[in-house]
Amino acid sequence: DTAVSQTPKYLVTQMGNDKSIKCEQNLGHDTMYWYKQDSKKFLKIMFSYNNKELIINETVPNRFSPKSPDKAHLNLHINSLELGDSAVYFCASSPQGGSSPLHFGNGTRLTVT
Amino acid sequence: SQQGEEDPQALSIQEGENATMNCSYKTSINNLQWYRQNSGRGLVHLILIRSNEREKHSGRLRVTLDTSKKSSSLLITASRAADTASYFCATDNAGNNRKLIWGLGTSLAVNP
Repeated sequence: DTAVSQTPKYLVTQMGNDKSIKCEQNLGHDTMYWYKQDSKKFLKIMFSYNNKELIINETVPNRFSPKSPDKAHLNLHINSLELGDSAVYFCASSPQGGSSPLHFGNGTRLTVT
Repeated sequence: SQQGEEDPQALSIQEGENATMNCSYKTSINNLQWYRQNSGRGLVHLILIRSNEREKHSGRLRVTLDTSKKSSSLLITASRAADTASYFCATDNAGNNRKLIWGLGTSLAVNP
């Protein structure tokens, strides 16, 4: 009965590899997000999708490519991983964009060595 | 750009005491939200307060908003060890693509 679930929880990989993180929400929400939280806990939005349509693309390197096959799923693919990509990545959803409260997944801790 | 700034960055109190955290922001907002993040978990929404509201309550939580000072406070009364977490404010800026802007958070430790 998990509302927003993302996999994997931990991801350890080497520089230059390509990896994907998957996210699914069963709340019926229209909007989904990817956030990056750095080691100082600063949260930065990366992407936002509304009904499978890209709404926000926050100057993220084009090595990061989100894909939304349907409004319940938003996956994140990262090419050519770099050390600086190490962080916790959170998926979130909301009933509508903008001001409605977000429901977060439990995060994927990515470590690039 | 970062908008919300929480104060203090870290707070340590004893169980039963009250904890007050503050959030300041720079531009006009539609609403301000508070979230809690337990270690190793995602953020959990606590309260949303709209720009035309001054105070809201939810259980042991009390949030105030002063738009003239561009600040908000979160008060947790009768704290418990389970309240140990990081607390973040997020603002929904008027006219800014309606995306949330997050602060750096206050790390609260409630000691038994």
